Amino acid sequence: KAGVTQTPRYLIKTRGQQVTLSCSPISGHRSVSWYQQTPGQGLQFLFEYFSETQRNKGNFPGRFSGRQFSNSRSEMNVSTLELGDSALYLCASSLVAYRGRYNEQFFGPGTRLTVL
Amino acid sequence: TQLLEQSPQFLSIQEGENLTVYCNSSSVFSSLQWYRQEPGEGPVLLVTVVTGGEVKKLKRLTFQFGDARKDSSLHITAAQPGDTGLYLCAGATIGGGSNYKLTFGKGTLLTVNP
Repeated sequence: KAGVTQTPRYLIKTRGQQVTLSCSPISGHRSVSWYQQTPGQGLQFLFEYFSETQRNKGNFPGRFSGRQFSNSRSEMNVSTLELGDSALYLCASSLVAYRGRYNEQFFGPGTRLTVL
Repeated sequence: TQLLEQSPQFLSIQEGENLTVYCNSSSVFSSLQWYRQEPGEGPVLLVTVVTGGEVKKLKRLTFQFGDARKDSSLHITAAQPGDTGLYLCAGATIGGGSNYKLTFGKGTLLTVNP
């Protein structure tokens, strides 16, 4: 069974640009979550999508947005990039449709975004 | 805001030594997960603990969930270089409706030297 895939793996952008990152969940997984990981702040939750609907959202500005398609693939977009947006962006998929206590998430390898 | 404090932040030990990593919070979690992350990869789930006081063992790794479900520890016996990585704890909270949330600690970077 293929794992979670993320594209691209590496990305370099300049301030003010926008970027779109893609995530393909494990087959059959309908929940996709996005996280930002930086050395200073660690792993921070961005948002979660389930059945094409944003189900939960972290404390990030509106420049960060996402969507999910009918095949459960998800994209996240960051507009007007800032230097502080440089980070590893991780996507995680989950099988559980109803969120019980065992919501095991499977992470992709991440997209390393560098903003110059 | 729920915070998970992990300690120590960095740990460098020799092969064969034992170690313990701590994960503490003032909040109660419905479950707590431990992940390991290697360079260039995403975190990989090691274990989920659910019941206060629960102890789970995974080969040389022992995980414990505090009685009050606010803290957890990871103990590694006879560490090996292959144990090197970033260890993350994550607490799960489930509110009403769709308010599920996983809060991560900042991690403990473990280096096991041969």
